[in-house]
Amino acid sequence: AQTVTQSQPEMSVQEAETVTLSCTYDTSENNYYLFWYKQPPSRQMILVIRQEAYKQQNATENRFSVNFQKAAKSFSLKISDSQLGDTAMYFCVNDMRFGAGTRLTVKP
Amino acid sequence: EAGVAQSPRYKIIEKRQSVAFWCNPISGHATLYWYQQILGQGPKLLIQFQNNGVVDDSQLPKDRFSAERLKGVDSTLKIQPAKLEDSAVYLCASIRTLWDTEAFFGQGTRLTVV
Repeated sequence: AQTVTQSQPEMSVQEAETVTLSCTYDTSENNYYLFWYKQPPSRQMILVIRQEAYKQQNATENRFSVNFQKAAKSFSLKISDSQLGDTAMYFCVNDMRFGAGTRLTVKP
Repeated sequence: EAGVAQSPRYKIIEKRQSVAFWCNPISGHATLYWYQQILGQGPKLLIQFQNNGVVDDSQLPKDRFSAERLKGVDSTLKIQPAKLEDSAVYLCASIRTLWDTEAFFGQGTRLTVV
């Protein structure tokens, strides 16, 4: 069964700084997708970024980028120029299975 | 397009009572998921439907939870009887096909069992 591990329950970062959230996963699939979702206090789950496993190039969406290491089964999220609106829970997802989440707080 | 609709938004019941949640996915979305999200934790997948068939219900506590999607469109999740530990947010999500890459989520139903 697929498992997703996020080892950082909480993190904080100063506004405009950069932060990296970690994720490891386990899968027996050859091709698969990985996602980062954001859940603000409103509870609405929002897709941040996605990565297809057969693509070697790391995905980038504006201030968000990933470091995908397929052999190590690692999938970290980097947020650059952090903004107050980035404060939320962040979930790493594989095959619609969620990690435990990292609570990110951006401080002014 | 309209998003994933869930109702009710909030529900408070006493333990041993029954409760049902409803989800209407985005039109044309064949795959539907139900999740249980306990406060401070990540969502736990309870059941996955493909049209009106169950793909995965390995984490559904079948002694008290049931779910159906009879016409392959909207879905209901039922708990009977409820326990205190069932207090959680129940999220519904849908994707167009199994090969689609973005899931759309409803705002969830917050259940409190007292």
